[in-house]
Amino acid sequence: EPEVTQTPSHQVTQMGQEVILRCVPISNHLYFYWYRQILGQKVEFLVSFYNNEISEKSEIFDDQFSVERPDGSNFTLKIRSTKLEDSAMYFCASSRRSGGGNEQFFGPGTRLTVL
Amino acid sequence: KNEVEQSPQNLTAQEGEFITINCSYSVGISALHWLQQHPGGGIVSLFMLSSGKKKHGRLIATINIQEKHSSLHITASHPRDSAVYICAVSRGTSGSRLTFGEGTQLTVNP
Repeated sequence: EPEVTQTPSHQVTQMGQEVILRCVPISNHLYFYWYRQILGQKVEFLVSFYNNEISEKSEIFDDQFSVERPDGSNFTLKIRSTKLEDSAMYFCASSRRSGGGNEQFFGPGTRLTVL
Repeated sequence: KNEVEQSPQNLTAQEGEFITINCSYSVGISALHWLQQHPGGGIVSLFMLSSGKKKHGRLIATINIQEKHSSLHITASHPRDSAVYICAVSRGTSGSRLTFGEGTQLTVNP
């Protein structure tokens, strides 16, 4: 069964460093998402992406964040200068089509620890 | 006030018990999602529904659009059902983003 994959599973970085989190969505999906979950808190939406551009972003997704689909399979989230408060689990998700009703499939997550 | 509220926050049951987790929301939605988060952190979609009722194995999800309320039921609960169950909504006015509840930590003891 097709699944969303994410690498790395755990990333440790120093404050101020750049990190790139990678995701491979399900191959026939068209919509891609990043969410994050700070330890002990609920999952929060960061950004959605369709047709090579951002379709929606939350107030969390400031200028320090960027997303890219560099080729036909990868979808990346870059944090330019990490802060302590960026420590969280980051989930990538994908869905076949838009419309609020469409089911989203989640990757296993990348645990980012900023020291 | 959270747009999506779940109850209870924590639930402990004995194996075999019937379990109900509730979700209320305060905004217009196009669909409601029930998800399961395993201890390792991974999230799995269980149901997506916009009306009525859906059943998959021992899991049943219902939604009442007029009352803005949904329930997730687990029949004949088993220790392997222990996980965090999360309610999330897709808001018609916001496109496809999911807005999540806080989750319900379920522990089923043998």
